[in-house]
Amino acid sequence: NAGVTQTPKFQVLKTGQSMTLQCAQDMNHEYMSWYRQDPGMGLRLIHYSVGAGITDQGEVPNGYNVSRSTTEDFPLRLLSAAPSQTSVYFCASSTPAGGSYEQYFGPGTRLTVT
Amino acid sequence: AQTVTQSQPEMSVQEAETVTLSCTYDTSESDYYLFWYKQPPSRQMILVIRQEAYKQQNATENRFSVNFQKAAKSFSLKISDSQLGDAAMYFCAYRADFGNEKLTFGTGTRLTIIP
Repeated sequence: NAGVTQTPKFQVLKTGQSMTLQCAQDMNHEYMSWYRQDPGMGLRLIHYSVGAGITDQGEVPNGYNVSRSTTEDFPLRLLSAAPSQTSVYFCASSTPAGGSYEQYFGPGTRLTVT
Repeated sequence: AQTVTQSQPEMSVQEAETVTLSCTYDTSESDYYLFWYKQPPSRQMILVIRQEAYKQQNATENRFSVNFQKAAKSFSLKISDSQLGDAAMYFCAYRADFGNEKLTFGTGTRLTIIP
């Protein structure tokens, strides 16, 4: 199993540009989430999904869109990038089955908006 | 809303010694889960240990153990026999009970191991 994969690993955008951060998991997990990590602030939840076709907002959703058309993929879209969106982005997946309650994280994407 | 507080931005410990990282949280729930995650320079998030609130026994994973004080809403991580590979950021995280996979993280503690 590859686990949770994220592409790209690094990205530089200009203000106003759009892009999609890709996330995929091969563990058949129902739950997927996007977090952003900023210095001194830990990880904060952006959006999450409890299954294909179902998404909801987290703590800091503004400026981001998500969709979940398949169990495996959960892309994060920035429609008009702003310098405040410079951050490291993590995708995570989990399943309630088995009672492990562990979230598996991808390697992260470092995004810089100039 | 739940909050998680890590009051030690940085800690250091001599190699082979023991160190304790602090975490407090605020919740009105009675059932929940607590986690410690390690983030080395590679930035990969690695689960170190987890604790179910309904369990009175403190969780242990090899050199890592927790001191879970439910009434005080405290969840500290003890690392015994510290090794150079333990150097990392450590994040405490809270998850509400059943049906909610969202994690709330603390701001992290950067642990340095002194050879």
